[in-house]
Amino acid sequence: GAGVSQSPSNKVTEKGKDVELRCDPISGHTALYWYRQSLGQGLEFLIYFQGNSAPDKSGLPSDRFSAERTGGSVSTLTIQRTQQEDSAVYLCASSYTGVSSYNEQFFGPGTRLTVL
Amino acid sequence: AQSVTQLGSHVSVSEGALVLLRCNYSSSVPPYLFWYVQYPNQGLQLLLKYTSAATLVKGINGFEAEFKKSETSFHLTKPSAHMSDAAEYFCAVKGSGNYQLIWGAGTKLIIKP
Repeated sequence: GAGVSQSPSNKVTEKGKDVELRCDPISGHTALYWYRQSLGQGLEFLIYFQGNSAPDKSGLPSDRFSAERTGGSVSTLTIQRTQQEDSAVYLCASSYTGVSSYNEQFFGPGTRLTVL
Repeated sequence: AQSVTQLGSHVSVSEGALVLLRCNYSSSVPPYLFWYVQYPNQGLQLLLKYTSAATLVKGINGFEAEFKKSETSFHLTKPSAHMSDAAEYFCAVKGSGNYQLIWGAGTKLIIKP
């Protein structure tokens, strides 16, 4: 079956512009995660959606960052008024959270964002 | 609270030598533990996972990891390194009470010819 997909794969934008990054999780996965990976760094947790519960936004670095998940499936991460420090790879992951789940996360290929 | 420590941000080994990447965890509940690999310019891929069955877990590409409760460790090993193993490796533990994973900082594995 299809894995997690993300679009676009690359995005170059000018400082101050807004960008939207899209994630299509694996069908049937109830949990969806966004991470940021700056050059040479580890994973920085941004936000987590679980079913119909309120998302865990504790990792969002500023109020310029927001995310939605429509219909329990596709998610969009929006960065407003982009700054150069927002340049990074944005990774999306999804997982199945049923009774037999071990929380294994499946990752998309990422979106490389470059803010000029 | 759970936490994960990966010792060494960079590990360099010669081709054909033993690979050992260290991971220590802290968990108040029996842990589920994971190793992921990230090849250059790609997303993360699951290498192996420990889910309280066998303590020695075998994964893809000849990697294995041993869960040692007394040492709170889950080190990743491979008997003979190959050039294609050059990548970044992340250790993670399942968070308690939610569905998140707690991630280590990652170890970049460098293979010398």
